[in-house]
Amino acid sequence: AQSVTQLGSHVSVSEGALVLLRCNYSSSVPPYLFWYVQYPNQGLQLLLKYTSAATLVKGINGFEAEFKKSETSFHLTKPSAHMSDAAEYFCAVSGGNNDMRFGAGTRLTVKP
Amino acid sequence: EAEVAQSPRYKITEKSQAVAFWCDPISGHATLYWYRQILGQGPELLVQFQDESVVDDSQLPKDRFSAERLKGVDSTLKIQPAELGDSAMYLCASSLVGGAPTDTQYFGPGTRLTVL
Repeated sequence: AQSVTQLGSHVSVSEGALVLLRCNYSSSVPPYLFWYVQYPNQGLQLLLKYTSAATLVKGINGFEAEFKKSETSFHLTKPSAHMSDAAEYFCAVSGGNNDMRFGAGTRLTVKP
Repeated sequence: EAEVAQSPRYKITEKSQAVAFWCDPISGHATLYWYRQILGQGPELLVQFQDESVVDDSQLPKDRFSAERLKGVDSTLKIQPAELGDSAMYLCASSLVGGAPTDTQYFGPGTRLTVL
């Protein structure tokens, strides 16, 4: 079985500051990991995914995430936050059968 | 750009009433998913279809929920009777093949259900 834990339900950063959203996973098989973003009253949009190729994954909107097996982590980062990045972010894990499990989400607030 | 369509976007109903949600996946996508997202939580899978067949409905409360995808294209999720605890966002997603780790799930805008 797979699961993810997102550390911090709320993260607040200033515009231009580094964004770091934390995700730790648990999986009995090699995991496939995803980050999704959700804007208010909208569906989820895929930011990036790790599928056992490169451990550093680049996604849309300047986001990237690094898969660290030794730490069972897949943290999401962006060097410089923009006001438009304010949203809910979800980490998810799959065992490869589309059995995707989502974390509880982290709400990112960007202060001007 | 192709999108997953859902309707209605918002639904308010009274408990014990029946409600139905509709989803039209991206054309050509064989796999369709229904998720429930309770406020403040991540989405949880209710049911997964591969074409017209149910692949996984282990988390679907079958005493009150039903889902169908008769022609393997669009899908309907029904709740009868609705209960207060059913208030949530219901998300539909589709993917091209399903079962492959590189297969991305594309989500619709969701239907927000409020049960009074």
